[in-house]
Amino acid sequence: DAGVTQSPTHLIKTRGQQVTLRCSPISGHKSVSWYQQVLGQGPQFIFQYYEKEERGRGNFPDRFSARQFPNYSSELNVNALLLGDSALYLCASRRGLQVYEQYFGPGTRLTVT
Amino acid sequence: DAKTTQPNSMESNEEEPVHLPCNHSTISGTDYIHWYRQLPSQGPEYVIHGLTSNVNNRMASLAIAEDRKSSTLILHRATLRDAAVYYCILETDKLIFGTGTRLQVFP
Repeated sequence: DAGVTQSPTHLIKTRGQQVTLRCSPISGHKSVSWYQQVLGQGPQFIFQYYEKEERGRGNFPDRFSARQFPNYSSELNVNALLLGDSALYLCASRRGLQVYEQYFGPGTRLTVT
Repeated sequence: DAKTTQPNSMESNEEEPVHLPCNHSTISGTDYIHWYRQLPSQGPEYVIHGLTSNVNNRMASLAIAEDRKSSTLILHRATLRDAAVYYCILETDKLIFGTGTRLQVFP
């Protein structure tokens, strides 16, 4: 089975621009979570979605938004990019909310200049 | 959010056992203890999780203190491929990662 896939792999944007990152979960997984990992730190939770509904949100500004589609894939949008948004954005999926093992994708490396 | 404390780094020789400690003194009764690891240039990888009893799987063992205020991840025979950052995490509905322990394995 294919693992969690994310696109694009790398992305370079300019301050003030908007970006959309995409995630496809493992087949059969209904929950998707997004994390931001700044260099040298552990991943920080941004959002969790389950059955297309937001089920959790981390301490991130409203510039960050996400959605989950009927096929359980997900998009993370970041508006008005700041230099501090430069990070590795990770997507993780799991079969359901009561299933604790999460599978992470390889991430999207976003650089804001 | 409940927090965990881990040593910044540890070293081991290949084929020796490794005990990675984690303190979580503010753990609540419903918090599961998770361990993930992150190899260089990869996303985190699930290792093991438990609630109260010790747990074993093909990758590692998890020993949980009776008061649940600490736990230890045990790699029975370290290999070079086990060199990674290991995160001890308490989860209610989301994973809260700390800075983890960077494990170096020497041949």
